[in-house]
Amino acid sequence: EVQLVESGGGLVQPGGSLTLSCAVSGFTFSTYWMNWVRQAPGKGLEWVANIKQDGSEKYYVDSVRGRFTISRDSAKNSLFLQMDSLRVEDSAVYYCARGRWATPFDYWGQGTLVAVSS
Amino acid sequence: EIVMTQSPATLSVSPGERATLSCRASQSVSGKLAWYQHKPGQAPRLLIYDTSTRPAGIPPRFSGSGSGTEFTLTISSLQSEDFAVYYCQQYNNWPPWTFGQGTKVEIK
Repeated sequence: EVQLVESGGGLVQPGGSLTLSCAVSGFTFSTYWMNWVRQAPGKGLEWVANIKQDGSEKYYVDSVRGRFTISRDSAKNSLFLQMDSLRVEDSAVYYCARGRWATPFDYWGQGTLVAVSS
Repeated sequence: EIVMTQSPATLSVSPGERATLSCRASQSVSGKLAWYQHKPGQAPRLLIYDTSTRPAGIPPRFSGSGSGTEFTLTISSLQSEDFAVYYCQQYNNWPPWTFGQGTKVEIK
């Protein structure tokens, strides 16, 4: 059974940092692109970042580029999102989701909540 | 960036009735269009990909159609478990991978 489980969310002050993790099981992690998608309160889904199978390519939405860093560890079957210089508008539920090149996101985790507030 | 626009924002439907949701792209997405179902506190679920293909396990009451920039998700006979928010997503031109703003299907 394919499983993706996010962790690491919490309350952080503006300007602070947080690292999210996504532990996966039930599939060969090294053969999939992996994504982070977020949903701000009362808003829709927004793709945030993704990373190629070997980590050699990474893409970011403009609003987080230079502040967030996506990475992966195949030995640990885990995906990460290092979030620095957090802003109030980064508050959201963050989901990890798997995909392949030019395909939709076929499995998602249940999300982890990030709240940025003073 | 391709902008995805969904309509209506909210759709009120009685159980057993048909629901039709629309999604428009700002430019052609060459059929690379997916639909997701999202319920509060749950993981989003892929319902349709490549405009009209259902993944394994998705009931046949869900169907997708369209081409170019105009797409439709139809739920032929709404069941109680179908009341949720539905999002379309294009994966033809990236980054970014873009979603519509969602259509909430609620009980009438």
